[in-house]
Amino acid sequence: EAGVTQSPTHLIKTRGQQATLRCSPISGHTSVYWYQQALGLGLQFLLWYDEGEERNRGNFPPRFSGRQFPNYSSELNVNALELEDSALYLCASRPYPPREETQYFGPGTRLLVL
Amino acid sequence: SQQGEEDPQALSIQEGENATMNCSYKTSINNLQWYRQNSGRGLVHLILIRSNEREKHSGRLRVTLDTSKKSSSLLITASRAADTASYFCATDVGSARQLTFGSGTQLTVLP
Repeated sequence: EAGVTQSPTHLIKTRGQQATLRCSPISGHTSVYWYQQALGLGLQFLLWYDEGEERNRGNFPPRFSGRQFPNYSSELNVNALELEDSALYLCASRPYPPREETQYFGPGTRLLVL
Repeated sequence: SQQGEEDPQALSIQEGENATMNCSYKTSINNLQWYRQNSGRGLVHLILIRSNEREKHSGRLRVTLDTSKKSSSLLITASRAADTASYFCATDVGSARQLTFGSGTQLTVLP
């Protein structure tokens, strides 16, 4: 069974640009979570999508947004990039309702903002 | 914000020794999970312990949970060089079900 996949693996942008990150969950998983791992700030919850809807978001500004498609894959968009957005962005998936509580993580997208 | 803290922040041991990492958290939880991260890559799930469980084993891993103290520990027995990684505890809280991570312990196992 394929795990969670993310693309691209690396992304380099300049300040003010927009970045789009993609995530494909494990087959059968309907919930997708996004986390940011920035240097010195640890792993922070960003967004949770399930059944195409945003269910919860962390303490991030509105320029962090996303969506979930009918096939449960998800996209994270970061507008007006700032230098401090440089981080590893991790996607995780889980079945919903939570028959299983474990979240399974993808390899991440490393975003560098210059 | 971080749910809690892990200690130590860094741990260096010899191959074959046991490694113990501790995690403290702040609020009531549904469950607590431990993850491993190698060199800034994705997280690998190690073990999950529910709030009504006190101890759980998986291979060389032993996890304990003390909800009265809001703390957990992860013991890795007979460590190997391949266990070198960062280890994170994460709590599943309330109905939102997102994970809140600790600050992590960097484990180095020397051959």
